[in-house]
Amino acid sequence: GAVVSQHPSRVICKSGTSVKIECRSLDFQATTMFWYRQFPKQSLMLMATSNEGSKATYEQGVEKDKFLINHASLTLSTLTVTSAHPEDSSFYICSARAGTHTGELFFGEGSRLTVL
Amino acid sequence: SQKIEQNSEALNIQEGKTATLTCNYTNYSPAYLQWYRQDPGRGPVFLLLIRENEKEKRKERLKVTFDTTLKQSLFHITASQPADSATYLCALEGGNTGKLIFGQGTTLQVKP
Repeated sequence: GAVVSQHPSRVICKSGTSVKIECRSLDFQATTMFWYRQFPKQSLMLMATSNEGSKATYEQGVEKDKFLINHASLTLSTLTVTSAHPEDSSFYICSARAGTHTGELFFGEGSRLTVL
Repeated sequence: SQKIEQNSEALNIQEGKTATLTCNYTNYSPAYLQWYRQDPGRGPVFLLLIRENEKEKRKERLKVTFDTTLKQSLFHITASQPADSATYLCALEGGNTGKLIFGQGTTLQVKP
């Protein structure tokens, strides 16, 4: 199946700093990628839809200035957590579709962010 | 309000038995429903997709049913193995947008 690579897998940072997470589709082009957030023992919460060449669409309650998403190419989307706080500590996962609108999502391995 | 509900209680079964997981939804009219497996600390992995006009879908030891009247999908693993132990998530499309909304998942533990 299609492969989505996410980096870094783990990151620890201090409060107030910014952290960038990269999501790459390795063997297919993804015009749309999705960013999810997952707290321990909870489900995936959709944060935003990343569209290549245009602005991301954020879900209600997600601060777009806090979570900056850039989809510069058909194979790369980045999520930057700005001015991170301990409550931003979470598991962030990106995903993409390799084909049709109704197809399966391929997920990255996730990035565990810990803000001290 | 829209809801996707899976049994939050962990399901513990003996190896060799059939595991049955439930996904119920309200205030959605999905054209399809998907099931994913997630292992601890990993991203979800796609298992099966079933469309609204399909009653049942099978893949090896996996079977999914979809009842649009009951607004329910059942996910079965036959001849379960300890390696099947994981969290299983159902997901459906949130409005005609292509984005997937997930249930909270059910953790399955298969004991040898």
